[in-house]
Amino acid sequence: DVKVTQSSRYLVKRTGEKVFLECVQDMDHENMFWYRQDPGLGLRLIYFSYDVKMKEKGDIPEGYSVSREKKERFSLILESASTNQTSMYLCASSPSGTGIYEQYFGPGTRLTVT
Amino acid sequence: GEDVEQSLFLSVREGDSSVINCTYTDSSSTYLYWYKQEPGAGLQLLTYIFSNMDMKQDQRLTVLLNKKDKHLSLRIADTQTGDSAIYFCAERIGGATNKLIFGTGTLLAVQP
Repeated sequence: DVKVTQSSRYLVKRTGEKVFLECVQDMDHENMFWYRQDPGLGLRLIYFSYDVKMKEKGDIPEGYSVSREKKERFSLILESASTNQTSMYLCASSPSGTGIYEQYFGPGTRLTVT
Repeated sequence: GEDVEQSLFLSVREGDSSVINCTYTDSSSTYLYWYKQEPGAGLQLLTYIFSNMDMKQDQRLTVLLNKKDKHLSLRIADTQTGDSAIYFCAERIGGATNKLIFGTGTLLAVQP
């Protein structure tokens, strides 16, 4: 079974803090994704990575950065957390290719910035 | 631009059929997906349909695709309380990176 794990289920941080969200997958997938989920807005893509050290901006990259030093690990970084970054953060991974290849999701991290 | 829209909420009685609708804008989508998110969990793939198909049936699930109107629907027959969840449709854009555009999600509440 594919497993995607996220470092924390719940996180509370203060405004201005640097925040690291970690995601690890165990299926040797090339692609990894970070989304944020907000009620009424669905899932919005922040960043994705299609290979080690490769990254591309998604739809809402402002205020975020990412790091992928190893294939299995994809980190989301909030350089200076703000209250409007309070949200549920979901990580996903998938193989590359043009088949059906689904995205496999982690359980999510609920981040509160006070 | 790419946009995927769904109604936000649907309430049905146990045993009835549920129909969740979705409209998308990218006519070049190759696959369209339905994901399910149970409370406190990440998303799981429920079913999918290839863009050259009109219909796909999988046990209690029926997916209908109208490419002309860019409309996708998910019908759940004999809805159970365990089907209560948020349902997201998603369209696949861009080739090998498997990038998806997700809809806003529909919260399905099943009343006993």
